Parts: sequence; C-alpha cells; structure tokens
Amino acid sequence: GEDVEQSLFLSVREGDSSVINCTYTDSSSTYLYWYKQEPGAGLQLLTYIFSNMDMKQDQRLTVLLNKKDKHLSLRIADTQTGDSAIYFCAPAGGFKTIFGAGTRLFVKA
Amino acid sequence: DVKVTQSSRYLVKRTGEKVFLECVQDMDHENMFWYRQDPGLGLRLIYFSYDVKMKEKGDIPEGYSVSREKKERFSLILESASTNQTSMYLCASSFGTGNQPQHFGDGTRLSIL
Repeated sequence: GEDVEQSLFLSVREGDSSVINCTYTDSSSTYLYWYKQEPGAGLQLLTYIFSNMDMKQDQRLTVLLNKKDKHLSLRIADTQTGDSAIYFCAPAGGFKTIFGAGTRLFVKA
Repeated sequence: DVKVTQSSRYLVKRTGEKVFLECVQDMDHENMFWYRQDPGLGLRLIYFSYDVKMKEKGDIPEGYSVSREKKERFSLILESASTNQTSMYLCASSFGTGNQPQHFGDGTRLSIL
C-alpha cells in the first residue's frame, strides 16, 4: 500500500528554523497537507500545497515540494515554544489521505 | 467554524464489553472517518463513510463496525473490546471528494482493562 515516512523527533532552539521532512509513495496525490496536533487535541490543518506547485509561503511557514523525488518539507521560521507539537505530513489523492507517523517537534527555550 | 465533537475524552471499559464511540459534525459534511492513533504508527484508518448509511473499510477494520444513520453522526462500535484496542480514537469529517482537508475532533482515549 501507499506509504508516508517522517522522522519521529526534531529538537530546535527557540528562534531557530525548523525543517520537517516527509517522503511519500503515492504519485497521484493532488493535495499535500501538513497538520499540527497539540497535546490532548485532535489534528488541525496547518497548511497545504497543490501538487502542481514547488513552493508555498504562509507567514512563518514555507512548504517545499519535489514531486519527482516525492519529497515534501515544512520549514517553520523563528520557531517559538508554542510550535511544540506533532506535525503530520498527509498526501491526499483520489479518495484517500495517507497520514505519516508524525514528527514531534521539541522547542528548547 | 467546523466543529467535530466526540462524545467522550476518556473512556475505560472491560474486555469483552461492547463499546460505542460517538462523533457529531455540524458542517453538513458528506464524508466522515474513524482513525486510531498509536505512538510511532501515526493515524490508521478504521472505517469511513461518504454518505448516510454508506460505509467502507479502511486499513484496520477487524474488530470494529460503524453506523451512519444520520448525516451528522458517525458511530464506531467495538463489538467485543480487547486490550489491543486500547488507543486514541480520532473522528474526522470533510466535504466533497476524499482529497479535501479533514476536520478532526479532540479524540477519545480508550482504555480496555
């Protein structure tokens, strides 16, 4: 079946940039989502990119897509302690969205 | 703002019990989903529904069933709970085709003793 891989943990210092990477196998993905999950809560849509785009910027967030290599990344500039959460990569194509295992971001003050 | 409400945040049940998890959404979404979330495994799809009275198996349907009698409500049923069903259960909904963003409830942490 289709697969999504992410590293499980990332630790950064407050004020630094965070980069969370994701590789996926489903080449029919038309939307590629990033969701954020804060402790004790469900997932919230953070941002997304269409499959025909290479880059999307949204305030402190930058999403890069390399469709040839099926590689997606999320960059958070000026990372804050409030960014500590689990981030899920979720390519969506056809009727299915596949979620990665999630990357837990730790932000050190 | 879309609201997906799961009936319980925490639930403790015994092995062999029949367990009902309820989910309600208020945005007239066609699609509803049930996932379980386990550390290191991410979200795994149990069942989904794209219309009232319609249901489709996801990746891990064994030991579960679902019911969608009304558009806004999607129930997950554990027919005979077992300890390996201890997990966080997340409900989500979306409109239109399956690749639209999903809106999630806050989850139900279920413990089976």
